Amino acid sequence: DQQVKQNSPSLSVQEGRISILNCDYTNSMFDYFLWYKKYPAEGPTFLISISSIKDKNEDGRFTVFLNKSAKHLSLHIVPSQPGDSAVYFCAASVGNTPLVFGKGTRLSVIA
Amino acid sequence: GAVVSQHPSRVICKSGTSVKIECRSLDFQATTMFWYRQFPKKSLMLMATSNEGSKATYEQGVEKDKFLINHASLTLSTLTVTSAHPEDSSFYICSAIIPGDREKLFFGSGTQLSVL
Repeated sequence: DQQVKQNSPSLSVQEGRISILNCDYTNSMFDYFLWYKKYPAEGPTFLISISSIKDKNEDGRFTVFLNKSAKHLSLHIVPSQPGDSAVYFCAASVGNTPLVFGKGTRLSVIA
Repeated sequence: GAVVSQHPSRVICKSGTSVKIECRSLDFQATTMFWYRQFPKKSLMLMATSNEGSKATYEQGVEKDKFLINHASLTLSTLTVTSAHPEDSSFYICSAIIPGDREKLFFGSGTQLSVL
């Protein structure tokens, strides 16, 4: 039973356009959500997070939106750059319990 | 920023041998470290939570006698894959959190284990 789902295994976007990565979750107790970026053969690096008391958090080109009623969050990257090409993991947690990760979405930004 | 160092980055071993993977927090004390395993095209699966000075807490389905975790100091946790088999081949990643800072989960660079 997967509590965090990233239903799109891959996404291709033209450089300069917006990349939208989606994530759905089933556990309504999750109160903290994060996005991690991962390059091949490297560990994930933290990108951006959002608490359940917010519906939007912005950091430069990256914005995370949270829709609690739909149990859905998304990561927007604007404008997309070739260096953004990586696998993006959505993660969630309840309190101080370990993060639960989605399967990841491979983003390819085409120049 | 905080750094987690993981070694080795890649190891190839024969079936039946044991492999030790080290995870070090370089500039902070990590009372808790996590060990993850990633299969191709799969999510990061939490294997165990390692607490300094106490026994690790293993997730359901993870054999604690096969994946030995030792967290003997505040900066070092080790994962030993004992009597490795080809099905143990995977990408193993450790991570650590800075106490009291929920957001700061730092990952090591991972270890690609290939068992022949």
